[in-house]
Amino acid sequence: ETGVTQTPRHLVMGMTNKKSLKCEQHLGHNAMYWYKQSAKKPLELMFVYSLEERVENNSVPSRFSPECPNSSHLFLHLHTLQPEDSALYLCASSQDRAAGNTIYFGEGSWLTVV
Amino acid sequence: AQKVTQAQTEISVVEKEDVTLDCVYETRDTTYYLFWYKQPPSGELVFLIRRNSFDEQNEISGRYSWNFQKSTSSFNFTITASQVVDSAVYFCALRVYNFNKFYFGSGTKLNVKP
Repeated sequence: ETGVTQTPRHLVMGMTNKKSLKCEQHLGHNAMYWYKQSAKKPLELMFVYSLEERVENNSVPSRFSPECPNSSHLFLHLHTLQPEDSALYLCASSQDRAAGNTIYFGEGSWLTVV
Repeated sequence: AQKVTQAQTEISVVEKEDVTLDCVYETRDTTYYLFWYKQPPSGELVFLIRRNSFDEQNEISGRYSWNFQKSTSSFNFTITASQVVDSAVYFCALRVYNFNKFYFGSGTKLNVKP
């Protein structure tokens, strides 16, 4: 049983749809992350939240909108996506942002944009 | 600049064979952390091990062992007596003290055939 759970596991959406990915961590961590994993590309860090405050946004297009209502939950709101946004989106958490802390990942949400 | 290289894109072995996955890293920081993650087809990145730069002791955990050598900037991972369930993509990652980013290698896909 993973300490980081993501829903939905699979999502197919049209380019004009609005959907959200949800992440919940049960580890009591203070930092949460969104990563994107595309085919044949390294993992890309998208957003970092620390104690519910966004501390990093790696030049992610505005069609991706994160939300962190509390330290246990993280959302990624999606709207007017492009087919090239199809990827595996991984949520992760760590005790805090210190480099020595292990980051624990969820199972990911497979997103297909049609 | 930080970088992680996993030169082996894909490896195929027969069950019960030993296999070593290579990882070479680059950093000028003296304090850093190295990680290995396993990603089965389901998508979740499963944490396997974390090592800090001041601890060069090799580690063994069941059939898994890790060889950390600062002299060659390598952190190799060996699976002894491989099993079909070991089939996955394995990622090596680096995190340096002064930055919060994970630097992931491109991954090595391991196929263990019965």
